[in-house]
Amino acid sequence: DAGVTQSPTHLIKTRGQHVTLRCSPISGHKSVSWYQQVLGQGPQFIFQYYEKEERGRGNFPDRFSARQFPNYSSELNVNALLLGDSALYLCASSFDADTQYFGPGTRLTVL
Amino acid sequence: SQELEQSPQSLIVQEGKNLTINCTSSKTLYGLYWYKQKYGEGLIFLMMLQKGGEEKSHEKITAKLDEKKQQSSLHITASQPSHAGIYLCGADGAGTASKLTFGTGTRLQVTL
Repeated sequence: DAGVTQSPTHLIKTRGQHVTLRCSPISGHKSVSWYQQVLGQGPQFIFQYYEKEERGRGNFPDRFSARQFPNYSSELNVNALLLGDSALYLCASSFDADTQYFGPGTRLTVL
Repeated sequence: SQELEQSPQSLIVQEGKNLTINCTSSKTLYGLYWYKQKYGEGLIFLMMLQKGGEEKSHEKITAKLDEKKQQSSLHITASQPSHAGIYLCGADGAGTASKLTFGTGTRLQVTL
């Protein structure tokens, strides 16, 4: 079975632009969570979606938004990019509120 | 908010040696997850511990949960180059594994 997939793998943007990151969960998984990992630190929770509804939000500004589609795939949107948004963005899926399985991540560089 | 502290921050061991990584929580642990990460890549699930005193093993890796001490340890026996990477502990202090709080990680290098 395919694992969690994310696209794109790498992305370079300039300050002020917006970006959309995509995630496809493991087949049958209904929960998707997004994390931001800055170099040298552990991942930080951004959002969780379950059955297309937001179930949790971390301490991130309103520039960050997300949604989940009927097929359980998800998008993370970031507006008005800042240099500090440069990070590895990780998506994780789980069947319910249980063990999460992570994708390979999207490396975002903001210049 | 819950904080996880991992020690040591980095570790260099010779192939074949044993090692232990610790993860201490500032709050009660409802569930503790161990992941491994290759540099710049996604996290690979290793083990999940839920009950105090619980111990799980997979191949040469053993993890234990000390609920009273709010601490978990990860022990690798007879380390191999394939064990190199960053080990992260994550806690679901809110009672759901979908909103994990992670430690800063322990970087492990295994020399020949």
